[in-house]
Amino acid sequence: AQKITQTQPGMFVQEKEAVTLDCTYDTSDQSYGLFWYKQPSSGEMIFLIYQGSYDEQNATEGRYSLNFQKARKSTNLVISASQLGDSAMYFCAMREGLSGGYNKLIFGAGTRLAVHP
Amino acid sequence: NAGVTQTPKFQVLKTGQSMTLQCAQDMNHEYMSWYRQDPGMGLRLIHYSVGAGITDQGEVPNGYNVSRSTTEDFPLRLLSAAPSQTSVYFCASSRRTDGNTIYFGEGSWLTVV
Repeated sequence: AQKITQTQPGMFVQEKEAVTLDCTYDTSDQSYGLFWYKQPSSGEMIFLIYQGSYDEQNATEGRYSLNFQKARKSTNLVISASQLGDSAMYFCAMREGLSGGYNKLIFGAGTRLAVHP
Repeated sequence: NAGVTQTPKFQVLKTGQSMTLQCAQDMNHEYMSWYRQDPGMGLRLIHYSVGAGITDQGEVPNGYNVSRSTTEDFPLRLLSAAPSQTSVYFCASSRRTDGNTIYFGEGSWLTVV
């Protein structure tokens, strides 16, 4: 069965420093997609970054980047130059299949990030 | 372009009552799905649809019913509400040809007393 594990229930970081949020996944599929979402205290789900299982380069989106290690089945989110507005819950999610997959996502339990001034 | 719209945003129900959470999208997306988020947990898939007239069960479908009569709308029905269904519900949609971009609604907070 597919599974997503986020082992850090909470993290804190000083403003302007970088932070890494861990995510490991378990799947027997060769084709899959990995997502990271941010959920601020207001509750909405904000898409951050995506990595496909066949992508050879680590995904980057502005201050967000992924450290994708396929053999270890991990996809860690790196946030550079943390800002106070980055304080939120962060969820890692996986979708079976690539462009299809019917947007059926499996989510981890999340990591709560607190950015301190 | 309103994106994914969920109504109501907040609802309190008594045990045994039924209600429908509405979800509408104006992006002509083929795929739509419902998730629930319990305190301290990630989202779990309830039901999903790949197009009008086609629905299927996700991880936690018991106690919920869905239908998809149009591309735009994907309502979630609670047949007989139970306290265990107290949760935040999210609707999501995406285009069949772009599964990397999934749009979420703002969530519906449901309390069953």
